[in-house]
Amino acid sequence: GQNIDQPTEMTATEGAIVQINCTYQTSGFNGLFWYQQHAGEAPTFLSYNVLDGLEEKGRFSSFLSRSKGYSYLLLKELQMKDSASYLCAVMDSNYQLIWGAGTKLIIKP
Amino acid sequence: GAVVSQHPSRVICKSGTSVKIECRSLDFQATTMFWYRQFPKQSLMLMATSNEGSKATYEQGVEKDKFLINHASLTLSTLTVTSAHPEDSSFYICSARWVKIDNEQFFGPGTRLTVL
Repeated sequence: GQNIDQPTEMTATEGAIVQINCTYQTSGFNGLFWYQQHAGEAPTFLSYNVLDGLEEKGRFSSFLSRSKGYSYLLLKELQMKDSASYLCAVMDSNYQLIWGAGTKLIIKP
Repeated sequence: GAVVSQHPSRVICKSGTSVKIECRSLDFQATTMFWYRQFPKQSLMLMATSNEGSKATYEQGVEKDKFLINHASLTLSTLTVTSAHPEDSSFYICSARWVKIDNEQFFGPGTRLTVL
């Protein structure tokens, strides 16, 4: 079966760095996405990785290792507004997104 | 960037009535649109995949006669929840795929449905 695993909840301090991990097992791979979702709102796109390595975009970076079925989202210089759920999703061989359950990130002052 | 709108943003209805939700891609043509449902504190659950001009493909466990999807044009897809019941209360989100950008899906803002 297809499976995406990520931690349910994480807590971090304002100004610090946090890494959210995601492991996956899917039928085929056409890229991995990270989305941010604030409560009561739709997800917003953060990053897309299809090749191994690190993609950096401002305070957010995303890493992919296809051989290990592993990705992480790295958030630097955390701000209170970063409190949200972070969803990992893999596009399978049918170009369909398989979603993780999301990681709720709590930022403390 | 690519923008997807969804209407209405919030709807409250009585049990037994039908509710239509519209999803529009405003500045691009979306050959494929997706309908998701999200219950509180849970992840997105794909309900169906909608291709323009053809019948929608429903995920297992989703009743096609209850959740009617019409993808009449490259910029509009509608989801009609027929004979809604309180258990249908949820956050419904559509997304549209624009293959020019790495197959990324662009999400609408969502519709909060409450069935009394």
